[in-house]
Amino acid sequence: DAGVIQSPRHEVTEMGQEVTLRCKPISGHNSLFWYRQTMMRGLELLIYFNNNVPIDDSGMPEDRFSAKMPNASFSTLKIQPSEPRDSAVYFCASTLQGSLGGYTFGSGTRLTVV
Amino acid sequence: AQSVAQPEDQVNVAEGNPLTVKCTYSVSGNPYLFWYVQYPNRGLQFLLKYITGDNLVKGSYGFEAEFNKSQTSFHLKKPSALVSDSALYFCAVRPPNSGNTPLVFGKGTRLSVIA
Repeated sequence: DAGVIQSPRHEVTEMGQEVTLRCKPISGHNSLFWYRQTMMRGLELLIYFNNNVPIDDSGMPEDRFSAKMPNASFSTLKIQPSEPRDSAVYFCASTLQGSLGGYTFGSGTRLTVV
Repeated sequence: AQSVAQPEDQVNVAEGNPLTVKCTYSVSGNPYLFWYVQYPNRGLQFLLKYITGDNLVKGSYGFEAEFNKSQTSFHLKKPSALVSDSALYFCAVRPPNSGNTPLVFGKGTRLSVIA
């Protein structure tokens, strides 16, 4: 398995533009997590899905953020409109629900909003 | 609610010396505990976990961690540090029998191993 795949690796966009981050979890994993990493706040959980259903989105900072998981092999995190304070590294992770294993993380998307 | 504290933002150690990265937790019952490592421009990688059983857990790259229930700690250790161990280390916790409650991560500790 190629692991958790995120795209793009880097994104630079202007304030006000829409940004879409993509994630392909490991095949067979049925839980997916979106995290944001910044120097100030460390690693924050934004939202997570079990079996493609959003379970907890309380970590989503504002209504500008939305996430979907239309099927077991794909998820998106959208920011519309983007702002400079959204600049961060966004990670996707997956695991098998109920397992005692750790998460497998993607390599992340580094977002810069100018 | 569960929480994890990593009291040191930065740990410096000379190559060949033993290293310790500290972690304390707060959770009801016996927790599930994890350590992850993050190398520059990479995602987090799983190192080791404690679920139950022996308090000393061995993981990848020669790392180990000791679960201490009385001190609510789960410190990461390695007998002899390598320069290549320099990275950001995260401790994480999840309550037992919590279904798929997400892991709660500490803020991370940056380890710098000096040659």
